[in-house]
Amino acid sequence: DQQVKQNSPSLSVQEGRISILNCDYTNSMFDYFLWYKKYPAEGPTFLISISSIKDKNEDGRFTVFLNKSAKHLSLHIVPSQPGDSAVYFCAATIHGSSNTGKLIFGQGTTLQVKP
Amino acid sequence: NAGVTQTPKFRVLKTGQSMTLLCAQDMNHEYMYWYRQDPGMGLRLIHYSVGEGTTAKGEVPDGYNVSRLKKQNFLLGLESAAPSQTSVYFCASSTRTGWAYEQYFGPGTRLTVT
Repeated sequence: DQQVKQNSPSLSVQEGRISILNCDYTNSMFDYFLWYKKYPAEGPTFLISISSIKDKNEDGRFTVFLNKSAKHLSLHIVPSQPGDSAVYFCAATIHGSSNTGKLIFGQGTTLQVKP
Repeated sequence: NAGVTQTPKFRVLKTGQSMTLLCAQDMNHEYMYWYRQDPGMGLRLIHYSVGEGTTAKGEVPDGYNVSRLKKQNFLLGLESAAPSQTSVYFCASSTRTGWAYEQYFGPGTRLTVT
């Protein structure tokens, strides 16, 4: 059972436009969410996160939105740049004293930004 | 500060052979993880450790064993490799600080089992 789903395997956008990557989750206990970026032949790197007490978090060109009622989060990249071309993974976890730091990852979305 | 390193970077095994993947981190993190990445499957947790001398099973542990004898090292073993274990393996580490759950990943090991 896939608890974190990224239903779009790929996305292609023009340089300068907005990229919107989506992620859905099924476990209502998840209360902390992260986005990772992965270039070919490299390990994933942390991009941005959001806790369930917020519905938006911004960091430069990257904004993550959380809709708890819909169990949906999205990553907006504005403006998109060719260097943003990568695989993006969303991940989720449950905060708490028994948390072991485990993250549940989605399948990933490959973003291509065309010059 | 090297972060998380993995050795080897590439390996080809024949079915039935064994090998050990080494992960090392220099950030003094308590938690360490092994994942495998397969096309369309995302990152799936194999085993993890919350401290020196402790290990636990993740989502896909069958066919793998792990050991964490030192805080900075986390070893992943394949006792009898199978073609289904052809994958890219990532190690990660993290620490617990309030709401911080970011994991730091190594560059990966590409394993092919023929």
